[in-house]
Amino acid sequence: AQSVTQLDSQVPVFEEAPVELRCNYSSSVSVYLFWYVQYPNQGLQLLLKYLSGSTLVKGINGFEAEFNKSQTSFHLRKPSVHISDTAEYFCAVRGNTNAGKSTFGDGTTLTVKP
Amino acid sequence: EAGVAQSPRYKIIEKRQSVAFWCNPISGHATLYWYQQILGQGPKLLIQFQNNGVVDDSQLPKDRFSAERLKGVDSTLKIQPAKLEDSAVYLCASSFRQSPLAGSTDTQYFGPGTRLTVL
Repeated sequence: AQSVTQLDSQVPVFEEAPVELRCNYSSSVSVYLFWYVQYPNQGLQLLLKYLSGSTLVKGINGFEAEFNKSQTSFHLRKPSVHISDTAEYFCAVRGNTNAGKSTFGDGTTLTVKP
Repeated sequence: EAGVAQSPRYKIIEKRQSVAFWCNPISGHATLYWYQQILGQGPKLLIQFQNNGVVDDSQLPKDRFSAERLKGVDSTLKIQPAKLEDSAVYLCASSFRQSPLAGSTDTQYFGPGTRLTVL
């Protein structure tokens, strides 16, 4: 079994400020980890993913995330946000078995204010 | 490259009616997923197809939901009869993975979803 907890349901920040969106997970097997972004009335778009290797993963739009196995976390960060980053962000975990079903967190709404 | 297409984008029905959603995945993608996203929650996998075979439908309420992918390309998801709690966005996604044994690192590409309101 696997689960994902996104620790903040809403994160308001001012433009050009740094931001961190927190994600913890649990799983009985090794996992792959993903962050997706969802803009209003659109589907999910992959921001970045951790499969193996370096624990710091860089993605699109200036986002990065760090995998911490001991703390079972995969927090998303951006050093300076823009108004256009306002969206819903989802963390997801996928077991590394062949079927590989994804489990999503409930999302964090990032609101960037001018 | 065309993305995942879904229709309709919006649907309003009354409870106990039936409804169907259609999905056309990215060309060449063998794996197709249907997710249910209830307001305020993350997507929940309903069913996963590998070509035209079902890989996982453990969370599909089979007494009212059905899905098919007859020719291994397009897919339809049906609800009959609908309940109030079925109000959600239904997302279709596809990935290239050609075999259930090929591992789970492939990227899923999502369509824009169908927003269903059951009154």
